[in-house]
Amino acid sequence: GAGVSQTPSNKVTEKGKYVELRCDPISGHTALYWYRQSLGQGPEFLIYFQGTGAADDSGLPNDRFFAVRPEGSVSTLKIQRTERGDSAVYLCASSYGTGPTYEQYFGPGTRLTVT
Amino acid sequence: AQKITQTQPGMFVQEKEAVTLDCTYDTSDQSYGLFWYKQPSSGEMIFLIYQGSYDEQNATEGRYSLNFQKARKSANLVISASQLGDSAMYFCAMLPPGGANSKLTFGKGITLSVRP
Repeated sequence: GAGVSQTPSNKVTEKGKYVELRCDPISGHTALYWYRQSLGQGPEFLIYFQGTGAADDSGLPNDRFFAVRPEGSVSTLKIQRTERGDSAVYLCASSYGTGPTYEQYFGPGTRLTVT
Repeated sequence: AQKITQTQPGMFVQEKEAVTLDCTYDTSDQSYGLFWYKQPSSGEMIFLIYQGSYDEQNATEGRYSLNFQKARKSANLVISASQLGDSAMYFCAMLPPGGANSKLTFGKGITLSVRP
């Protein structure tokens, strides 16, 4: 079946602009996660959804970052007033939310560059 | 809080040989899960193997095995019969109690290069 998809694959924006990054999880997965990966680092947690609600947003760096999942499927990560430090690869993952391993399946990521 | 440590510099292995990638972790939880992911240059994180903290046997998945030493808090990945396609970044990660209601904590990763 189809895996996790993310659009766009690359986004270049100017400092101060607003961007939206989209994640389409695997069908049937109730849990959805956003991570951010800076160059040379491992992914860092941003926010987690179970269904439509954000169950844990403790990783969002500040109030410029916001994410929604209105129908419990597709999620959008929104960044206002982008800064050069926001440049990174934004990874989305989904899982069934139950099961013995809770494996998270990752998408290919969106590479965000703020100039 | 959970912490994953991957300190090896870039690793090199000859094709068809075995290689061990090190991972140590720190947690005060008794129940947790350990994962290894592969990230090729394309950027996608590919799940390789999982070990539960209460699993008595080391996990194996094809050419991948996890050398789990709970007392030493280590979870090393062993890749047997390396292939050129194994060249990638490898990340060790931990999932605390709560399973799917929890976030993965990743290490910084190790670069593996397979030589022909």
